[in-house]
Amino acid sequence: DIVLTQSPGTLSLSPGERATLSCRASQSVSTNYLAWYQQKPGQAPRLLIHGASSRATGTPDRFSGSGSGTDFTLTISRLEPEDFAVYYCQQFGNGNSPRYGFGQGTKLEIK
Amino acid sequence: EVQLWESGGDFTHPGGSLRLSCEASGFRFTDYTMSWVRQAPGTGLEWVSVISGSGTTTYYLASVKGRFTISRDSQKNTLYLQMNSLRAEDTAIYYCVTVLNGYFESWGQGTLVTVSS
Repeated sequence: DIVLTQSPGTLSLSPGERATLSCRASQSVSTNYLAWYQQKPGQAPRLLIHGASSRATGTPDRFSGSGSGTDFTLTISRLEPEDFAVYYCQQFGNGNSPRYGFGQGTKLEIK
Repeated sequence: EVQLWESGGDFTHPGGSLRLSCEASGFRFTDYTMSWVRQAPGTGLEWVSVISGSGTTTYYLASVKGRFTISRDSQKNTLYLQMNSLRAEDTAIYYCVTVLNGYFESWGQGTLVTVSS
């Protein structure tokens, strides 16, 4: 199974700054099948990005996804107070049976 | 607007059983693959099971295969997860989600399952 490793584990930044979150896969992932989610305390996760770089409906354009192969990045251009949350990457593999795997998450906290 | 409402979460002892339900609205239920994703307290996300729109194809996380059964009722627009032989490590919030092209598009609010002696 493909393992996703997110870094850093915790990122401390101030509103207005740029955030760069990394997701590295143990094997190549199709860009079609790499997604990012945001989760705030006490809430369900929310889809932000799918297909590595396509914003989901309602995702502000300050969020962007990029990458291919084994290295993917979520960038938040200018942090707003509501962006401080935990972010997860997720991949899908459609071999003999489907495999859905998540990274362990990056906590984005206010500095 | 897609709405997913989970229910059925509860406290049970190891070896017990629970059935989770997820009522769906706002979309054509049979058009969507559906899944359960769980989150143990203070930890990350883990996919549990998936079922095709027709209900004929199902897959499971290895650690729940043989103990959990996913199903759906198109007449009631409801997704189910029958959980038997529950273990402490199954303790988690269970989310009902719609699946599209390998990603989890819409999420319910979750229902808490606690397994403890």
